Amino acid sequence: AQSVTQPDIHITVSEGASLELRCNYSYGATPYLFWYVQSPGQGLQLLLKYFSGDTLVQGIKGFEAEFKRSQSSFNLRKPSVHWSDAAEYFCAVAPFGGYQKVTFGIGTKLQVIP
Amino acid sequence: NAGVTQTPKFQVLKTGQSMTLQCAQDMNHEYMSWYRQDPGMGLRLIHYSVGAGITDQGEVPNGYNVSRSTTEDFPLRLLSAAPSQTSVYFCASSLGQGLAQHPNYGYTFGSGTRLTVV
Repeated sequence: AQSVTQPDIHITVSEGASLELRCNYSYGATPYLFWYVQSPGQGLQLLLKYFSGDTLVQGIKGFEAEFKRSQSSFNLRKPSVHWSDAAEYFCAVAPFGGYQKVTFGIGTKLQVIP
Repeated sequence: NAGVTQTPKFQVLKTGQSMTLQCAQDMNHEYMSWYRQDPGMGLRLIHYSVGAGITDQGEVPNGYNVSRSTTEDFPLRLLSAAPSQTSVYFCASSLGQGLAQHPNYGYTFGSGTRLTVV
């Protein structure tokens, strides 16, 4: 079975600073990879996804993520963080051909300070 | 376009009571799933469905039942509520596997049901 590790439970960055959220996955083949964002009291919203092809994927709200097969990683990045980016971010993985069995990480809570 | 609608938003149950959490989507999505979210544990899959009449268990199915008689609806039943089922429950839907390259491929989540069992 696949698994996801988000090693940082909580991250604080200054507004305007760059951001990188880490995600490592465990799966025997190339998986489907996702990043979701959750604002307080809300459901999750899909930021971006990777299935195949170009390993650098662009998402909504200025986010991007890079798939690195050799490191089993799919880190989320943003060049300049805005106060509205404060939320909880979840990395998720699904096996190829089994998208319905999506496994989520435990999340990284992002705090943005002025 | 409402997306995924969950009702109720909040519910308090007594131990042993049963109830049904409702989930409906209007996007003609093939896949639907129920997750529970607990602090420090992320989201855990309870049950999922790949189409009307087809359901299967996820990671934490005990104490829950589902059915999918239509494409639109995927209710989650708590058979005999226990305090361990206190959680926030999310329903999600997506296009089917054959549309993996579609730009809209990926889960659409409802806004959640916060359930407390006392």
